[in-house]
Amino acid sequence: NAGVTQTPKFQVLKTGQSMTLQCAQDMNHEYMSWYRQDPGMGLRLIHYSVGAGITDQGEVPNGYNVSRSTTEDFPLRLLSAAPSQTSVYFCASSYGKGYEQYFGPGTRLTVT
Amino acid sequence: QQQVKQSPQSLIVQKGGISIINCAYENTAFDYFPWYQQFPGKGPALLIAIRPDVSEKKEGRFTISFNKSAKQFSLHIMDSQPGDSATYFCAASRGSLYNFNKFYFGSGTKLNVKP
Repeated sequence: NAGVTQTPKFQVLKTGQSMTLQCAQDMNHEYMSWYRQDPGMGLRLIHYSVGAGITDQGEVPNGYNVSRSTTEDFPLRLLSAAPSQTSVYFCASSYGKGYEQYFGPGTRLTVT
Repeated sequence: QQQVKQSPQSLIVQKGGISIINCAYENTAFDYFPWYQQFPGKGPALLIAIRPDVSEKKEGRFTISFNKSAKQFSLHIMDSQPGDSATYFCAASRGSLYNFNKFYFGSGTKLNVKP
């Protein structure tokens, strides 16, 4: 099992550009989430999904879009990148009610 | 406004000593309190977790103490080792739409265990 994988590991964008962060899991988990990690802020939930076709917003959803067409994949789209979106992004998956989350290795994004 | 407050921000402990990290919360709807360990360049990994119906949970050298009336919980690492050097996050979760548990994380504590 690869667990939760994320690509790319690093990305630099210019303000206004769009991009998609990829996340995949091979554990057949129903629940998947996206978090951003900023210094002194911990992790904050951006969006989450409880199954294919079902998504909802977290604490900090503005500027991000998600969709989930398969159990395995949960991409995060930045519509028009802003410097405030410079962060490390983590994808996580979990089974059941989502108590134990398995995190991916993260994507470090810099927006200039 | 951060829903879970964590302290200290950083901690230096000698090998063999006890590391203590504290967290506090306000929302009484929280019903699950995990601690995550994160090494540089890696994602967080679940270390230990507790529910509010018990006051203490121990797994090996790691113990969570939970004080429901004070709305506080803490992580104790006994016999701290250099390999424990990492960033530790507390978190709290509650149920939400679709029966999904939304997690709220503390700001993290960077632990350095000196050999």
